[in-house]
Amino acid sequence: KQEVTQIPAALSVPEGENLVLNCSFTDSAIYNLQWFRQDPGKGLTSLLLIQSSQREQTSGRLNASLDKSSGRSTLYIAASQPGDSATYLCAVRPGTGRRALTFGSGTRLQVQP
Amino acid sequence: SQTIHQWPATLVQPVGSPLSLECTVEGTSNPNLYWYRQAAGRGLQLLFYSVGIGQISSEVPQNLSASRPQDRQFILSSKKLLLSDSGFYLCAWSVEGADTQYFGPGTRLTVL
Repeated sequence: KQEVTQIPAALSVPEGENLVLNCSFTDSAIYNLQWFRQDPGKGLTSLLLIQSSQREQTSGRLNASLDKSSGRSTLYIAASQPGDSATYLCAVRPGTGRRALTFGSGTRLQVQP
Repeated sequence: SQTIHQWPATLVQPVGSPLSLECTVEGTSNPNLYWYRQAAGRGLQLLFYSVGIGQISSEVPQNLSASRPQDRQFILSSKKLLLSDSGFYLCAWSVEGADTQYFGPGTRLTVL
């Protein structure tokens, strides 16, 4: 059974810092991995999706990497801003053709002005 | 552009009462549709997904059911709510053949 773990569970940083959020998964036979952002009481916003054949994806100040063989992904946020404060979730889709994403429990990020 | 709507935004229901949550998508045709639940202290869990009208797949056994009466409408229902049904319910859609899922604003359900 796939398990997804996110470390740290919570993170507080001053504005302007570069930071790394970690995601690990136990079964490396994935189809893709997706990073989401969730604001309190809101739905999820897709940030980046990495296919299993890819190593990284970039969007603005965000960069996500994937090391499928070791079961790890990182989300790098450059020059953090208070507006980046949210919970960040990673989710993996299995390589078996099933559609069910397995989500981590998230990292709650607070960027202090 | 595509948008996804969910209602109601919040709901407080007594144990044993029925439930109907609705999700609609605009601006796309034949989307894949998903219902997720986010329970307190637990991660997001996929409950149902649908690849077309009348086609529903259940991921976990439970007290809930789903229906897709129209192409862009997805309904989550229960005949009798349990306390354990409390949580944040999220609807999502994706384009067939693409993997990015787009989420709605969610419905917070409290069963008392």
